[in-house]
Amino acid sequence: DVKVTQSSRYLVKRTGEKVFLECVQDMDHENMFWYRQDPGLGLRLIYFSYDVKMKEKGDIPEGYSVSREKKERFSLILESASTNQTSMYLCASSLGPGGTEAFFGQGTRLTVV
Amino acid sequence: ELKVEQNPLFLSMQEGKNYTIYCNYSTTSDRLYWYRQDPGKSLESLFVLLSNGAVKQEGRLMASLDTKARLSTLHITAAVHDLSATYFCAVVNAGNNRKLIWGLGTSLAVNP
Repeated sequence: DVKVTQSSRYLVKRTGEKVFLECVQDMDHENMFWYRQDPGLGLRLIYFSYDVKMKEKGDIPEGYSVSREKKERFSLILESASTNQTSMYLCASSLGPGGTEAFFGQGTRLTVV
Repeated sequence: ELKVEQNPLFLSMQEGKNYTIYCNYSTTSDRLYWYRQDPGKSLESLFVLLSNGAVKQEGRLMASLDTKARLSTLHITAAVHDLSATYFCAVVNAGNNRKLIWGLGTSLAVNP
């Protein structure tokens, strides 16, 4: 089975801190994604990557950056955390060139105080 | 731009009843997924539908796809409490980026 692992289940950070959310997948998937999930807004795509060192902006990239130095790892970075970034963050990976089934990590609930 | 609409967004039903969740999408696509999310948990894939007329069934859930109408349905038969969850449909954007476009989800509560 595909396993997508996010480094933290819960995080509490202070406003202005730099925050790293890590995601690792073990099935050699090409594509990796970061979403945030907020009540009433569904899943919104922040960034995605279809290859090592490649990244593309999703629908809400402002305030975020990403890094993909190795195929299995995709990091989401909040350069200066703000309270409006309090959310559930979901990492996902998929096998093929796009549009194939996405497998999700367990999620990281981030609270910025 | 591809848009995906689910309805209803909230559904409260009694055990033993049947109901259908609808997923409409606005432009051509060749692939549609249904996912389930339990409270406080992540998303789990239920079905992938690849062609017009496709039907998939797992237990009390059955999903179908009508590409001409740009409509997928998720039918619940004789609901049980364990089916309480949020159900999402996601449609592949058939354009260049082939991103998944998500519906807002249907929050289902099955009551005794």
